[in-house]
Amino acid sequence: RKEVEQDPGPFNVPEGATVAFNCTYSNSASQSFFWYRQDCRKEPKLLMSVYSSGNEDGRFTAQLNRASQYISLLIRDSKLSDSATYLCFYNQGGKLIFGQGTELSVKP
Amino acid sequence: NAGVTQTPKFRILKIGQSMTLQCTQDMNHNYMYWYRQDPGMGLKLIYYSVGAGITDKGEVPNGYNVSRSTTEDFPLRLELAAPSQTSVYFCASSTTGVGETQYFGPGTRLLVL
Repeated sequence: RKEVEQDPGPFNVPEGATVAFNCTYSNSASQSFFWYRQDCRKEPKLLMSVYSSGNEDGRFTAQLNRASQYISLLIRDSKLSDSATYLCFYNQGGKLIFGQGTELSVKP
Repeated sequence: NAGVTQTPKFRILKIGQSMTLQCTQDMNHNYMYWYRQDPGMGLKLIYYSVGAGITDKGEVPNGYNVSRSTTEDFPLRLELAAPSQTSVYFCASSTTGVGETQYFGPGTRLLVL
């Protein structure tokens, strides 16, 4: 099993849609989890941390499912400005793992 | 605060040449990182540092060297450039622990021909 797997997409959705991404990880001892956003040819920027209890920030909700070893990101009421690549990240006891990213394209 | 700055923005190297990618942060963060990102791929950790004078290898350290003489600076050295090192290099820093919330620089695009 790969250390981390993300559906690369692209996910093409209309404005206002709800879209969800998953990221599966292989090591059950993994610790902290994050979602980063990366715009084309730019640096990644932190979107949000992921906790077992869930984490919500406006239209964005992140969840961690330790039993099934995945994290998820839900975006509600998609905006054109949400178009970007979303990278999952986790810390596996000091081994830092980024997913390959999921590309989201929000259309008018 | 400027955050994390990287120089140069873009560089073309010939095979076998050497160069240093500069990274500076003004946030007084103890933890700093170097990643490379190949097209369509996620970031891979090259080296990281938990403080001045302390560095450790990441997932893909071969062909690179680092030093951390100050809290602010974390340069990455390529000694003998190879085409496989063509990539975008990102430097990052964090304050609360290894792998915790990371702040990235704008990146250096390197092309080795």
